[in-house]
Amino acid sequence: GAGVSQSPRYKVAKRGQDVALRCDPISGHVSLFWYQQALGQGPEFLTYFQNEAQLDKSGLPSDRFFAERPEGSVSTLKIQRTQQEDSAVYLCASSPGSSYGYTFGSGTRLTVV
Amino acid sequence: SQKIEQNSEALNIQEGKTATLTCNYTNYSPAYLQWYRQDPGRGPVFLLLIRENEKEKRKERLKVTFDTTLKQSLFHITASQPADSATYLCALDPYSGAGSYQLTFGKGTKLSVIP
Repeated sequence: GAGVSQSPRYKVAKRGQDVALRCDPISGHVSLFWYQQALGQGPEFLTYFQNEAQLDKSGLPSDRFFAERPEGSVSTLKIQRTQQEDSAVYLCASSPGSSYGYTFGSGTRLTVV
Repeated sequence: SQKIEQNSEALNIQEGKTATLTCNYTNYSPAYLQWYRQDPGRGPVFLLLIRENEKEKRKERLKVTFDTTLKQSLFHITASQPADSATYLCALDPYSGAGSYQLTFGKGTKLSVIP
């Protein structure tokens, strides 16, 4: 597609529930990033893929967070046993490589109740 | 510790004037710096990238400067219009040498252009 597509757009989860957030990057983009954005803050890095390889997961806040990109295109961010502090907008971005700007999706707004 | 600071949370200017937004950083040696625009409920949109060996970059009404000695970038919008109202984010692309090119973002400056 023309842009980065994320689904669902909104997700309400009960505390303790597992959620899966999907990202469909721009076709051919090697790099894929997940960011978390709290209200009034800038995006915070979670994890980075180069093709199917997860090269950096230093930003994942706990072992409840897991991301994958098995075929080097679509990526899924999974959060297990959601907590209220997980409520945020989760942004996915893709890029052709280093020294290029990122193309972001519109994000998934996760609310944990 | 490493820090990125954008000069103010909010900036109001009159239509037609030049808006100047500031991004300061400490304890980074970025290979390049990027500026993004974010509208409510949307993801950031890439505007400009400037490399450490470039002093200035322009695109239409936008101009970015990068001073690695002062550790500062300035972002200018000339002849501002109400449609320029948005949050502008500064982001560093630090050279880590470890194969990760993650961006680190500032909190953003919310610009309001008043007709």
